[in-house]
Amino acid sequence: NAGVTQTPKFQVLKTGQSMTLQCAQDMNHNSMYWYRQDPGMGLRLIYYSASEGTTDKGEVPNGYNVSRLNKREFSLRLESAAPSQTSVYFCASSVGYEQYFGPGTRLTVT
Amino acid sequence: AQSVTQLDSHVSVSEGTPVLLRCNYSSSYSPSLFWYVQHPNKGLQLLLKYTSAATLVKGINGFEAEFKKSETSFHLTKPSAHMSDAAEYFCVVSDLPGQNFVFGPGTRLSVLP
Repeated sequence: NAGVTQTPKFQVLKTGQSMTLQCAQDMNHNSMYWYRQDPGMGLRLIYYSASEGTTDKGEVPNGYNVSRLNKREFSLRLESAAPSQTSVYFCASSVGYEQYFGPGTRLTVT
Repeated sequence: AQSVTQLDSHVSVSEGTPVLLRCNYSSSYSPSLFWYVQHPNKGLQLLLKYTSAATLVKGINGFEAEFKKSETSFHLTKPSAHMSDAAEYFCVVSDLPGQNFVFGPGTRLSVLP
């Protein structure tokens, strides 16, 4: 079992560029999440998906879109990157109350 | 609405001494509560969870936490700190499984030799 995997691990973008962060889980979990982590602010929820075919906004959705492609995969897209989106992004999946996290993607927008 | 307050942004202890990391929460429902640990440049690992069973919860690596509803607290303790405990610790509250997990800002634990 790989658990939750994320690609890429690191990315540098210029302002205005777009990119998609990929996340996959092999634990057959229904729920998946995208968070961003910024110093002193803990993790903040961007979007979540309670089941295949559904997505909902979290605390900080502006500037992001998501796709729940199937039960395994949940992608996060930045259409026009801004320096304020420089952060570490974590994907997670859950069964009941227990969340499992991926290793993170460190994104820098210049 | 849920919220989590972690009262200390940084705690420093000597190796072998007790650890206390404080967490207070706000929730409209009967919440579930969690502590996660994040070592430098790593992902998050679940230390322990409270989901309305026993109020004293034991986790991995000798950590435990006590749910006190009257004080809306869920403080994390360990009797004797080890160098490997140096990390960032996050308290998390959730009132709906599979949906809304709210993280506190984190407490950085330093362990001095």
